[in-house]
Amino acid sequence: ETGVTQTPRHLVMGMTNKKSLKCEQHLGHNAMYWYKQSAKKPLELMFVYNFKEQTENNSVPSRFSPECPNSSHLFLHLHTLQPEDSALYLCASSQGVAGNTIYFGEGSWLTVV
Amino acid sequence: GQNIDQPTEMTATEGAIVQINCTYQTSGFNGLFWYQQHAGEAPTFLSYNVLDGLEEKGRFSSFLSRSKGYSYLLLKELQMKDSASYLCAEILTGGGNKLTFGTGTQLKVEL
Repeated sequence: ETGVTQTPRHLVMGMTNKKSLKCEQHLGHNAMYWYKQSAKKPLELMFVYNFKEQTENNSVPSRFSPECPNSSHLFLHLHTLQPEDSALYLCASSQGVAGNTIYFGEGSWLTVV
Repeated sequence: GQNIDQPTEMTATEGAIVQINCTYQTSGFNGLFWYQQHAGEAPTFLSYNVLDGLEEKGRFSSFLSRSKGYSYLLLKELQMKDSASYLCAEILTGGGNKLTFGTGTQLKVEL
């Protein structure tokens, strides 16, 4: 139990579907992140939110749409994805964005068919 | 990821010591993390180094040389459960808390 909970753990969706990934952190942190982990590739930062405000969008395609209603919750809305978007999507949180340790959730395995 | 270089795979024997090396971009360097990730699980924090030297935490130690752009993770008294991927990641100045990860080193511990 890392204090960062992600649902669903596994998701299969068609290219025309709309789905969402949910993340909740129970650590009292104020920064939250989405990372993408593909096979044989490094973890890639997608988005950073600090006190609900987006502070980083790492050139992510618009078919991925994040939402951060408060410091404890983060969503990733998915729409018209491509098969190459199949990956493990990891949510993380930290206390601030100044070199503090980042704690990861267990991830959501996404398969786009 | 292209700024971080670590071996793809390593194999070691139970009870032995293994050293996993990592080289990183030195320009703007502001700290180095090591994470452990078991298959299908979250990466978990192991260590953070920002100053030169060795940080020891039980069976795990992490070393940093800022002038050489080099770090290593040392695992002692290896156990089967230490079989996992070990991720090296750096933070750059002015980059907020954006970690740049290497591809990870898959460690296999054998009997």
